[in-house]
Amino acid sequence: AQRVTQPEKLLSVFKGAPVELKCNYSYSGSPELFWYVQYSRQRLQLLLRHISRESIKGFTADLNKGETSFHLKKPFAQEEDSAMYYCALRHGTGTASKLTFGTGTRLQVTL
Amino acid sequence: GAVVSQHPSRVICKSGTSVKIECRSLDFQATTMFWYRQFPKQSLMLMATSNEGSKATYEQGVEKDKFLINHASLTLSTLTVTSAHPEDSSFYICSARDPSRRGNTEAFFGQGTRLTVV
Repeated sequence: AQRVTQPEKLLSVFKGAPVELKCNYSYSGSPELFWYVQYSRQRLQLLLRHISRESIKGFTADLNKGETSFHLKKPFAQEEDSAMYYCALRHGTGTASKLTFGTGTRLQVTL
Repeated sequence: GAVVSQHPSRVICKSGTSVKIECRSLDFQATTMFWYRQFPKQSLMLMATSNEGSKATYEQGVEKDKFLINHASLTLSTLTVTSAHPEDSSFYICSARDPSRRGNTEAFFGQGTRLTVV
C-alpha cells in the first residue's frame, strides 16, 4: 500500500530564512508526487509536481527515489508563504487515479 | 484554470436528518470526481470515487449506505450524508481532474463544505 509521511506538523521560520518541508513516501510502483498548498480560507491548490521540474513561487522539490523523498524547499521564506502544505502521491492510472495525502505541515513565517 | 465548486459551504443539520452536498465542475466535464473528508488539523482522507453513470467506488471502511454518492451528469456529483450524527461532523471536499488538459494529473478542489450535526 502507498503511504506519504510528513514528519513535521508545524514549521516556524523567520522571514528570509531557508525552508525545507519534508516528505517521504512508500509506493511499489513508479511514483508521481505533488505538493499542494492551502492558504488561509482558500481551497487546496497545486503548488508543483515532480514531473514538471519547475520552480513555483520560489519553491522547488526534487524526487529522490533512493531516499524515497520529495522535500519542498525555498531559499528565502516570505510572509505570504505561511500556509498548510500537503505532499501527495498519485497512484493508479487515468482519470480515476487517486491521491494519497500526507498529514500536512503548517508553515509559519514570522518577521 | 479549471474550477470545482461545492455547495453549500456550510451546513448545520439535526441528528437523524440527511444532508446533500453538491460538487460541480464549472468549466470542464468530469467523468470521475473524488470525495474527501478532513478532520480538524488532519489530512484529507479519500472516501470514495464518484463515477458518472455508474456506481461509486468506496474506500475501505466507508459506509456506502451512510454516504450516498450520485454522479448523474458530467458536471455534477452529490454526496448525501444520511441519518447524520454528530460524529459525521467534518469538512468534506470534492475534487476532479480536467481530462482535456495535457497530462491530466492535476486535481482541482472544491472549497469544501463544513458539516455540523447537532
